[in-house]
Amino acid sequence: DAGITQSPRHKVTETGTPVTLRCHQTENHRYMYWYRQDPGHGLRLIHYSYGVKDTDKGEVSDGYSVSRSKTEDFLLTLESATSSQTSVYFCATTGTGGVETQYFGPGTRLLVL
Amino acid sequence: SQQGEEDPQALSIQEGENATMNCSYKTSINNLQWYRQNSGRGLVHLILIRSNEREKHSGRLRVTLDTSKKSSSLLITASRAADTASYFCAVGVPNTDKLIFGTGTRLQVFP
Repeated sequence: DAGITQSPRHKVTETGTPVTLRCHQTENHRYMYWYRQDPGHGLRLIHYSYGVKDTDKGEVSDGYSVSRSKTEDFLLTLESATSSQTSVYFCATTGTGGVETQYFGPGTRLLVL
Repeated sequence: SQQGEEDPQALSIQEGENATMNCSYKTSINNLQWYRQNSGRGLVHLILIRSNEREKHSGRLRVTLDTSKKSSSLLITASRAADTASYFCAVGVPNTDKLIFGTGTRLQVFP
Protein backbone atom coordinates (compact mmCIF):
# COMPACT_ATOMS: atom_id res chain seq x y z
CA ASP A 1 0.00 0.00 0.00
CA ALA A 2 1.67 3.20 -1.21
CA GLY A 3 -0.12 5.49 1.23
CA ILE A 4 -2.55 7.02 -1.25
CA THR A 5 -5.81 8.47 -0.04
CA GLN A 6 -8.62 10.00 -2.01
CA SER A 7 -11.31 12.36 -0.82
CA PRO A 8 -14.20 12.36 -0.84
CA ARG A 9 -14.82 8.64 -1.30
CA HIS A 10 -18.38 9.20 -2.45
CA LYS A 11 -20.06 12.29 -3.82
CA VAL A 12 -23.43 13.14 -5.31
CA THR A 13 -23.71 16.46 -7.12
CA GLU A 14 -25.91 18.23 -9.59
CA THR A 15 -25.27 19.01 -13.23
CA GLY A 16 -23.47 22.30 -13.69
CA THR A 17 -21.76 22.46 -10.32
CA PRO A 18 -17.97 22.41 -9.94
CA VAL A 19 -16.46 19.42 -8.15
CA THR A 20 -12.94 18.92 -6.83
CA LEU A 21 -11.47 15.54 -6.00
CA ARG A 22 -8.30 15.25 -3.96
CA CYS A 23 -5.52 12.70 -4.08
CA HIS A 24 -2.95 12.68 -1.29
CA GLN A 25 0.19 10.53 -1.17
CA THR A 26 2.80 10.07 1.51
CA GLU A 27 5.45 8.32 -0.63
CA ASN A 28 7.05 11.42 -2.16
CA HIS A 29 6.33 9.96 -5.61
CA ARG A 30 7.07 12.22 -8.54
CA TYR A 31 4.31 11.03 -10.87
CA MET A 32 0.60 11.22 -10.15
CA TYR A 33 -2.31 10.23 -12.36
CA TRP A 34 -6.07 10.59 -12.51
CA TYR A 35 -8.10 7.87 -14.25
CA ARG A 36 -11.76 7.26 -14.66
CA GLN A 37 -13.27 3.78 -14.77
CA ASP A 38 -16.49 3.04 -16.59
CA PRO A 39 -18.07 -0.28 -17.54
CA GLY A 40 -16.77 -1.53 -20.87
CA HIS A 41 -13.95 1.04 -20.98
CA GLY A 42 -11.50 -0.09 -18.36
CA LEU A 43 -9.36 2.73 -16.99
CA ARG A 44 -8.86 5.84 -19.07
CA LEU A 45 -6.28 8.49 -18.28
CA ILE A 46 -7.66 11.99 -17.64
CA HIS A 47 -4.59 14.01 -16.64
CA TYR A 48 -1.25 13.30 -15.06
CA SER A 49 1.55 15.16 -13.35
CA TYR A 50 5.29 14.60 -13.62
CA GLY A 51 6.24 17.10 -10.94
CA VAL A 52 5.00 20.07 -8.97
CA LYS A 53 3.18 22.42 -11.34
CA ASP A 54 3.96 20.07 -14.27
CA THR A 55 0.87 18.43 -15.75
CA ASP A 56 -0.27 17.03 -19.05
CA LYS A 57 -3.45 15.75 -20.64
CA GLY A 58 -4.56 12.18 -21.03
CA GLU A 59 -7.02 10.70 -23.50
CA VAL A 60 -10.23 11.98 -21.85
CA SER A 61 -9.25 15.41 -20.50
CA ASP A 62 -12.14 17.53 -21.83
CA GLY A 63 -14.17 19.04 -18.98
CA TYR A 64 -11.44 18.35 -16.40
CA SER A 65 -8.58 20.39 -15.00
CA VAL A 66 -5.86 19.52 -12.52
CA SER A 67 -3.46 21.24 -10.21
CA ARG A 68 -0.43 20.16 -8.26
CA SER A 69 1.00 22.80 -5.96
CA LYS A 70 2.95 20.36 -3.79
CA THR A 71 4.36 16.88 -4.24
CA GLU A 72 1.82 15.10 -2.07
CA ASP A 73 -1.43 16.52 -3.47
CA PHE A 74 -3.01 16.25 -6.92
CA LEU A 75 -6.41 17.83 -7.41
CA LEU A 76 -8.90 17.00 -10.15
CA THR A 77 -11.61 19.56 -10.88
CA LEU A 78 -14.73 19.05 -12.93
CA GLU A 79 -15.37 22.58 -13.98
CA SER A 80 -19.10 22.12 -14.61
CA ALA A 81 -20.18 18.57 -13.88
CA THR A 82 -22.22 16.67 -16.46
CA SER A 83 -24.02 13.34 -16.19
CA SER A 84 -21.41 11.81 -18.51
CA GLN A 85 -18.83 12.42 -15.79
CA THR A 86 -20.60 10.01 -13.45
CA SER A 87 -17.87 7.47 -12.87
CA VAL A 88 -15.38 6.02 -10.45
CA TYR A 89 -12.22 8.09 -10.29
CA PHE A 90 -8.87 6.60 -9.34
CA CYS A 91 -5.65 8.32 -8.46
CA ALA A 92 -2.34 6.53 -8.97
CA THR A 93 1.28 7.33 -8.30
CA THR A 94 4.71 6.07 -9.23
CA GLY A 95 8.06 7.17 -7.99
CA THR A 96 10.14 5.91 -10.86
CA GLY A 97 9.45 6.36 -14.54
CA GLY A 98 5.83 6.90 -15.43
CA VAL A 99 5.60 3.59 -17.28
CA GLU A 100 6.70 1.59 -14.26
CA THR A 101 4.52 0.08 -11.55
CA GLN A 102 1.67 2.36 -10.48
CA TYR A 103 0.07 2.37 -7.03
CA PHE A 104 -3.62 3.11 -6.81
CA GLY A 105 -5.84 4.85 -4.33
CA PRO A 106 -9.19 3.42 -3.23
CA GLY A 107 -11.25 5.46 -5.68
CA THR A 108 -13.99 8.10 -5.53
CA ARG A 109 -17.51 7.29 -6.69
CA LEU A 110 -19.08 10.35 -8.27
CA LEU A 111 -22.72 10.57 -9.26
CA VAL A 112 -23.84 13.62 -11.25
CA LEU A 113 -27.61 14.06 -11.27
CA SER B 1 -8.35 4.14 -27.93
CA GLN B 2 -7.42 1.21 -25.75
CA GLN B 3 -4.00 -0.30 -26.27
CA GLY B 4 -4.75 -3.44 -24.34
CA GLU B 5 -7.67 -5.70 -25.04
CA GLU B 6 -8.26 -8.65 -22.74
CA ASP B 7 -9.78 -11.94 -23.71
CA PRO B 8 -12.04 -13.41 -22.45
CA GLN B 9 -14.15 -10.66 -20.93
CA ALA B 10 -15.36 -13.08 -18.26
CA LEU B 11 -14.14 -16.45 -17.03
CA SER B 12 -15.69 -18.86 -14.52
CA ILE B 13 -13.76 -21.82 -13.14
CA GLN B 14 -13.67 -24.15 -10.16
CA GLU B 15 -11.12 -23.93 -7.38
CA GLY B 16 -7.97 -25.80 -8.24
CA GLU B 17 -8.25 -25.18 -11.97
CA ASN B 18 -5.92 -22.93 -13.91
CA ALA B 19 -7.10 -19.58 -15.29
CA THR B 20 -5.63 -18.07 -18.44
CA MET B 21 -6.25 -14.52 -19.59
CA ASN B 22 -4.93 -12.95 -22.74
CA CYS B 23 -4.04 -9.39 -23.67
CA SER B 24 -3.43 -7.96 -27.12
CA TYR B 25 -2.04 -4.53 -27.88
CA LYS B 26 -1.45 -2.40 -30.92
CA THR B 27 1.92 -0.67 -30.95
CA SER B 28 5.40 -0.94 -29.49
CA ILE B 29 5.73 -1.17 -25.74
CA ASN B 30 8.26 -0.51 -23.02
CA ASN B 31 6.71 -3.11 -20.74
CA LEU B 32 3.43 -4.89 -20.06
CA GLN B 33 1.89 -5.10 -16.62
CA TRP B 34 -0.95 -7.01 -15.03
CA TYR B 35 -3.13 -5.60 -12.28
CA ARG B 36 -5.88 -7.05 -10.15
CA GLN B 37 -8.98 -5.27 -8.88
CA ASN B 38 -11.28 -6.63 -6.24
CA SER B 39 -14.84 -5.37 -6.37
CA GLY B 40 -15.09 -1.75 -5.23
CA ARG B 41 -11.35 -1.39 -4.65
CA GLY B 42 -8.35 0.15 -6.36
CA LEU B 43 -6.04 -1.75 -8.67
CA VAL B 44 -3.12 -3.70 -7.29
CA HIS B 45 0.00 -4.41 -9.31
CA LEU B 46 0.72 -8.10 -9.87
CA ILE B 47 3.62 -8.42 -12.26
CA LEU B 48 5.61 -6.48 -14.87
CA ILE B 49 7.34 -7.99 -17.90
CA ARG B 50 9.70 -5.93 -20.02
CA SER B 51 9.66 -5.88 -23.79
CA ASN B 52 12.89 -7.90 -23.99
CA GLU B 53 11.57 -10.66 -21.68
CA ARG B 54 9.49 -13.63 -22.81
CA GLU B 55 8.30 -15.17 -19.56
CA LYS B 56 8.11 -14.26 -15.92
CA HIS B 57 6.89 -16.03 -12.79
CA SER B 58 5.68 -14.79 -9.45
CA GLY B 59 4.22 -17.37 -7.07
CA ARG B 60 1.21 -18.90 -8.83
CA LEU B 61 1.37 -16.34 -11.62
CA ARG B 62 3.04 -16.91 -14.96
CA VAL B 63 3.16 -14.19 -17.60
CA THR B 64 4.31 -14.61 -21.17
CA LEU B 65 4.97 -11.92 -23.72
CA ASP B 66 5.16 -12.32 -27.49
CA THR B 67 6.13 -8.98 -29.00
CA SER B 68 5.94 -10.36 -32.54
CA LYS B 69 2.24 -11.11 -31.99
CA LYS B 70 1.74 -8.12 -29.71
CA SER B 71 0.16 -10.32 -27.08
CA SER B 72 0.59 -11.46 -23.50
CA SER B 73 -1.02 -14.07 -21.33
CA LEU B 74 -1.50 -14.34 -17.58
CA LEU B 75 -1.80 -17.82 -16.10
CA ILE B 76 -2.99 -18.30 -12.55
CA THR B 77 -2.34 -21.86 -11.44
CA ALA B 78 -4.37 -23.77 -8.84
CA SER B 79 -6.98 -21.00 -8.56
CA ARG B 80 -8.59 -20.18 -5.25
CA ALA B 81 -11.90 -18.51 -4.46
CA ALA B 82 -9.87 -15.52 -3.24
CA ASP B 83 -8.57 -15.03 -6.80
CA THR B 84 -12.04 -13.86 -7.80
CA ALA B 85 -11.46 -10.35 -9.17
CA SER B 86 -11.04 -8.38 -12.38
CA TYR B 87 -7.65 -8.52 -14.06
CA PHE B 88 -6.29 -5.76 -16.28
CA CYS B 89 -3.30 -5.58 -18.54
CA ALA B 90 -1.55 -2.26 -19.06
CA VAL B 91 1.12 -1.35 -21.58
CA GLY B 92 3.88 1.12 -20.91
CA VAL B 93 4.09 3.42 -23.89
CA PRO B 94 7.68 4.22 -24.95
CA ASN B 95 8.87 7.81 -24.56
CA THR B 96 5.87 8.75 -22.45
CA ASP B 97 5.01 8.60 -18.78
CA LYS B 98 1.79 6.73 -19.43
CA LEU B 99 0.24 3.34 -19.05
CA ILE B 100 -2.67 2.39 -21.26
CA PHE B 101 -5.07 -0.06 -19.67
CA GLY B 102 -7.24 -2.69 -21.25
CA THR B 103 -10.88 -3.34 -20.47
CA GLY B 104 -10.24 -6.27 -18.13
CA THR B 105 -11.17 -9.91 -17.59
CA ARG B 106 -13.62 -10.72 -14.82
CA LEU B 107 -12.58 -13.98 -13.13
CA GLN B 108 -14.97 -15.93 -10.92
CA VAL B 109 -13.54 -18.89 -9.00
CA PHE B 110 -16.17 -21.15 -7.44
CA PRO B 111 -15.34 -23.09 -4.26
